[in-house]
Amino acid sequence: GDSVTQMEGPVTLSEEAFLTINCTYTATGYPSLFWYVQYPGEGLQLLLKATKADDKGSNKGFEATYRKETTSFHLEKGSVQVSDSAVYFCALSGSNTDKLIFGTGTRLQVFP
Amino acid sequence: DAGVIQSPRHEVTEMGQEVTLRCKPISGHNSLFWYRQTMMRGLELLIYFNNNVPIDDSGMPEDRFSAKMPNASFSTLKIQPSEPRDSAVYFCASSGGYEQYFGPGTRLTVT
Repeated sequence: GDSVTQMEGPVTLSEEAFLTINCTYTATGYPSLFWYVQYPGEGLQLLLKATKADDKGSNKGFEATYRKETTSFHLEKGSVQVSDSAVYFCALSGSNTDKLIFGTGTRLQVFP
Repeated sequence: DAGVIQSPRHEVTEMGQEVTLRCKPISGHNSLFWYRQTMMRGLELLIYFNNNVPIDDSGMPEDRFSAKMPNASFSTLKIQPSEPRDSAVYFCASSGGYEQYFGPGTRLTVT
């Protein structure tokens, strides 16, 4: 069945460092791909999405490119801030469904 | 729009008691999801409704859990009887397409 694999956390960075959180997926057909973020004590929020191969999703300085050839959707940010500290979830939805398959989440900790 | 509304935000109950969690999805959304989040098991999909009809309940842990969606603007998740291992944060999410919008969650503690 469909699945999402994320890198283990926590990821610990200093402010202004470059961030990469790896995400790979297994799916039949042409899934849509998402990154969600969960700040402490809150629900998940959609950060960005891509619905077809080679699409780049971007928001708040974060980017991810839908790579069908490597079945990946890695999250990147050029310069992280303390306020980016949160748990990041990669997810996919299969064709013709809005049910999401989530990865296990990666905790990011950014220190000043 | 107020977003997805969940109540209560916190619930503390004793083992054996019935617990009912409530969710009001975003108006116009036709899909509703109940999730459970714990440190040990992460984020788990419990059940998924589309147009008020349960589509996939394979994540419901056992018969003690039940969910209903009597209309497009309201859903409940009930645990009866509750057990300490049910302690978790329960999220409701709704969708009108590809994106799911999550509520703030209900933190349940069963003592």
